[in-house]
Amino acid sequence: AQSVSQHNHHVILSEAASLELGCNYSYGGTVNLFWYVQYPGQHLQLLLKYFSGDPLVKGIKGFEAEFIKSKFSFNLRKPSVQWSDTAEYFCAVRTSGGSYIPTFGRGTSLIVHP
Amino acid sequence: NAGVTQTPKFRILKIGQSMTLQCTQDMNHNYMYWYRQDPGMGLKLIYYSVGAGITDKGEVPNGYNVSRSTTEDFPLRLELAAPSQTSVYFCASSDWDRSSYNEQFFGPGTRLTVL
Repeated sequence: AQSVSQHNHHVILSEAASLELGCNYSYGGTVNLFWYVQYPGQHLQLLLKYFSGDPLVKGIKGFEAEFIKSKFSFNLRKPSVQWSDTAEYFCAVRTSGGSYIPTFGRGTSLIVHP
Repeated sequence: NAGVTQTPKFRILKIGQSMTLQCTQDMNHNYMYWYRQDPGMGLKLIYYSVGAGITDKGEVPNGYNVSRSTTEDFPLRLELAAPSQTSVYFCASSDWDRSSYNEQFFGPGTRLTVL
């Protein structure tokens, strides 16, 4: 069974710092990749997704992610975080085989201090 | 479009009680899902459905049941509530075809406490 690892469980940054959250998966075939964000007390919303094509994907609110197939990774980045980016971030992977149901990572809690 | 709606928002149950968490989507999505979210544990898939009349177990189905009689509705049933079922429950839906895959749309969640 595939697995999704988010190695940073808790990240604390100051405003204007750069952000990189790691996401690695275990499946060797074709994948669709997603990053979701969950602001405090809210439901999950899509930040960005990769299906095919350019491995550098840009999402909402200045976030981007790069798919590196050789490293089985899909890290999320933002050059300068804001206090309003405080949230939980989830990576999800859907594979080309099996049930097409995405698998979620455990999430990374990001706190940005003003 | 309202998207994905869930009721109730909060509920407290006593051990052994039963309840149904309601989920409705108005996007005509064929896939629907139920997840539970526990602190630091991410999202665990309970059940999913690929269309009306079709359901399948996810990672943590024990203690739950689902049905999918219509495209829009996907209720989750807890028959004998246990403290281990204290969690936040999210319903989601998505569309799917072989050439592309759209993201999941999540409901606002139901916070359930079993005492």
